Amino acid sequence: QQQVKQSPQSLIVQKGGISIINCAYENTAFDYFPWYQQFPGKGPALLIAIRPDVSEKKEGRFTISFNKSAKQFSLHIMDSQPGDSATYFCAASSGGGADGLTFGKGTHLIIQP
Amino acid sequence: NAGVMQNPRHLVRRRGQEARLRCSPMKGHSHVYWYRQLPEEGLKFMVYLQKENIIDESGMPKERFSAEFPKEGPSILRIQQVVRGDSAAYFCASSPKEAGGYTFGSGTRLTVV
Repeated sequence: QQQVKQSPQSLIVQKGGISIINCAYENTAFDYFPWYQQFPGKGPALLIAIRPDVSEKKEGRFTISFNKSAKQFSLHIMDSQPGDSATYFCAASSGGGADGLTFGKGTHLIIQP
Repeated sequence: NAGVMQNPRHLVRRRGQEARLRCSPMKGHSHVYWYRQLPEEGLKFMVYLQKENIIDESGMPKERFSAEFPKEGPSILRIQQVVRGDSAAYFCASSPKEAGGYTFGSGTRLTVV
């Protein structure tokens, strides 16, 4: 499976600020791009996902921006809250999401009160 | 509607023993995926199964690892003759027949001593 590169590795944001996490992929066959949130000792939880036919998707405070030509996508968390402090993973798969996911290495996000 | 159930939550095995990890998918979900997560790493895809069929095992080590999803009962990930390098968190995810929208379990943390 092709790699998905995620940055930054860690991120500290003040409460109320915007958290931005970026991912880049290589495999042009990928057609499903989810973001997961993971708290210590828990499994990843699906936050939001996008398919390449749209450039942006918004759900509440979470927005995915997708640039197909650059093979990049990003997660924006608006009005970041201390409860958002977690590890965030981007991922990608082909087959409309039915195939196994290729994950980035994760971003440790800390929201300072 | 219970989520994806994994057991045990924690498993300690001595080198050379066998580890059996169980996963019961969400009700109505017929697709099961297994992932491994090493400390400070993203999840690595191992295997994708449907009832009585292995669909994709491209991420599974060639030796000592096997997986099944029988017609009745949970999916089982079996690791024979465990070594210290097998110590990790193993996550199971399930999805309905439609593509995408994985739900992960809380994982089994395997420690090999």
